Amino acid sequence: GAVVSQHPSWVICKSGTSVKIECRSLDFQATTMFWYRQFPKQSLMLMATSNEGSKATYEQGVEKDKFLINHASLTLSTLTVTSAHPEDSSFYICSARVRQDNYGYTFGSGTRLTVV
Amino acid sequence: AQSVTQLGSHVSVSEGALVLLRCNYSSSVPPYLFWYVQYPNQGLQLLLKYTTGATLVKGINGFEAEFKKSETSFHLTKPSAHMSDAAEYFCAVSDRGYSTLTFGKGTMLLVSP
Repeated sequence: GAVVSQHPSWVICKSGTSVKIECRSLDFQATTMFWYRQFPKQSLMLMATSNEGSKATYEQGVEKDKFLINHASLTLSTLTVTSAHPEDSSFYICSARVRQDNYGYTFGSGTRLTVV
Repeated sequence: AQSVTQLGSHVSVSEGALVLLRCNYSSSVPPYLFWYVQYPNQGLQLLLKYTTGATLVKGINGFEAEFKKSETSFHLTKPSAHMSDAAEYFCAVSDRGYSTLTFGKGTMLLVSP
């Protein structure tokens, strides 16, 4: 089945530094990638939608200059948290729409970001 | 706009008992409906989905759900709970264009021996 590989699984960084999270589609072409943020014991909140080769569409309230999304190829999308602060600590999950699965969705395994 | 309501943030059952997780949706047109399971610090795994056709959908691990248009519901059931079913369950909807998923707040299923 369609697999999205997300790395790293967890990362700890210092305040003010930047962190890059990668999501790769291993056996299909991900024309559309979704990025979610999940706070402890809460649901997934959509941050942005990216389409290969174009600028991401951010949800209301999400800082596009802080959460940089790049989707330069059909198999790789990245989320960079710039100038991270402790309040950015969260669980980030990517998801791709899968054409072969009648346009269903597949999710990465998530990245636990802790900013200290 | 679409919305999803999951009744009960926590559901507790005994091993072997019936599992019932409730999901109601609000949508101007019949949406596509999904149930996902999430284990701690992991991504989401699809249990089942409804798009068209038979309203009773069977998924993995013995789960099934029934789409009831008149009740705008898509409740998830399993006849006999197993300890390994303990996890967070999310109901989600998308429009028929598969644009974005809207998630419910999730229900934590607790299974006791």
